[in-house]
Amino acid sequence: AQSVTQLGSHVSVSEGALVLLRCNYSSSVPPYLFWYVQYPNQGLQLLLKYTSAATLVKGINGFEAEFKKSETSFHLTKPSAHMSDAAEYFCAVSAAGRRALTFGSGTRLQVQP
Amino acid sequence: NAGVTQTPKFQVLKTGQSMTLQCAQDMNHNSMYWYRQDPGMGLRLIYYSASEGTTDKGEVPNGYNVSRLNKREFSLRLESAAPSQTSVYFCASSPSSGSSDTQYFGPGTRLTVL
Repeated sequence: AQSVTQLGSHVSVSEGALVLLRCNYSSSVPPYLFWYVQYPNQGLQLLLKYTSAATLVKGINGFEAEFKKSETSFHLTKPSAHMSDAAEYFCAVSAAGRRALTFGSGTRLQVQP
Repeated sequence: NAGVTQTPKFQVLKTGQSMTLQCAQDMNHNSMYWYRQDPGMGLRLIYYSASEGTTDKGEVPNGYNVSRLNKREFSLRLESAAPSQTSVYFCASSPSSGSSDTQYFGPGTRLTVL
């Protein structure tokens, strides 16, 4: 079985501050991990994904995430928040041999001016 | 290159009515998916099609049927809509059904069942 927990359904940061969105997963086999972003009234767009090539993964728009097997975590970070980063962010897991993504419940990021 | 398109964008149904949600992709992807998104629950898989001619149930298939019409199109049908099916529905596609494949999402259909 696989599951994803995103801590914090809402996160608010000031423009220019560090963004940290938390994701913990459980999987009985080595996982593939994804971060998707959803802007208002739009579909989901891939930010980055971990496929075991490197533990630090860089994505679009300055975001990155680090896979930590010992902590079963895949937290998303960005050094300096921009107003355009305001959106909902979803972490998802897919295990080898499985065809479906399992999504977390999402974290809504608010960026204050 | 439109990616994944969905029609309609919005729909209001009465309990017991039926409707079909349409999805098409122009990326020559083999696999297609239907998800529903409910507040506080993320996305949940309804059905998927690993390749043309095959469909499989996901996490929440009850009350739905699907048709993989051809490689491009994957439709979702509600035979007798219920208020519990009020949700936002997303179609997605991926090059294959591999576990590491990126899924590409359409803009969604917002469905309200009264």
